[in-house]
Amino acid sequence: DQQVKQNSPSLSVQEGRISILNCDYTNSMFDYFLWYKKYPAEGPTFLISISSIKDKNEDGRFTVFLNKSAKHLSLHIVPSQPGDSAVYFCAASFYSGGSNYKLTFGKGTLLTVNP
Amino acid sequence: DAMVIQNPRYQVTQFGKPVTLSCSQTLNHNVMYWYQQKSSQAPKLLFHYYDKDFNNEADTPDNFQSRRPNTSFCFLDIRSPGLGDAAMYLCATSREGTGLFTDTQYFGPGTRLTVL
Repeated sequence: DQQVKQNSPSLSVQEGRISILNCDYTNSMFDYFLWYKKYPAEGPTFLISISSIKDKNEDGRFTVFLNKSAKHLSLHIVPSQPGDSAVYFCAASFYSGGSNYKLTFGKGTLLTVNP
Repeated sequence: DAMVIQNPRYQVTQFGKPVTLSCSQTLNHNVMYWYQQKSSQAPKLLFHYYDKDFNNEADTPDNFQSRRPNTSFCFLDIRSPGLGDAAMYLCATSREGTGLFTDTQYFGPGTRLTVL
């Protein structure tokens, strides 16, 4: 049972345009959400996060939006650059006591930014 | 640069032959994690250590074990690899759990395991 879903396996955009990557979740206990970027032959690297008490967080060209009522978040990249081409993973977490901070990942979306 | 290092990057083993994957970190983080990622799937947490405390996920097979001899190193042991265990194994670390928020996890490059 997938608790974090990235329904688009791939997305292709033109350089300079906006990239929008979507993520849906089912567990209402999730209270922290993260986006990771992964290049081939490398491990995922943290990109941006958002707490459930916010609905938007911005860092340079990257903005994450959270719609709790819809259990939906999205990552916007503006403007998109060829170096942004990578797999983007959405992840969600909640604190369940002790040392349990488990991240639940989606399957990822391959973003290709064409020059 | 501080980092998470995984060795080897590629590991080939035979069906049923024990294998050990290694992870080391220079970040001095309290928490270390092991994930399994199969092709086109989400990374799946196998277990994690908070300092020396081991936390196993309920659905992690007994075939998978882990050791953390010190803060810097963590090992993943697969006692009898099956064909279904072929995957990318990712090690990650995080500073500590405060309960206030989820600390960012820093990932190594992964070890690609092939089982013949």
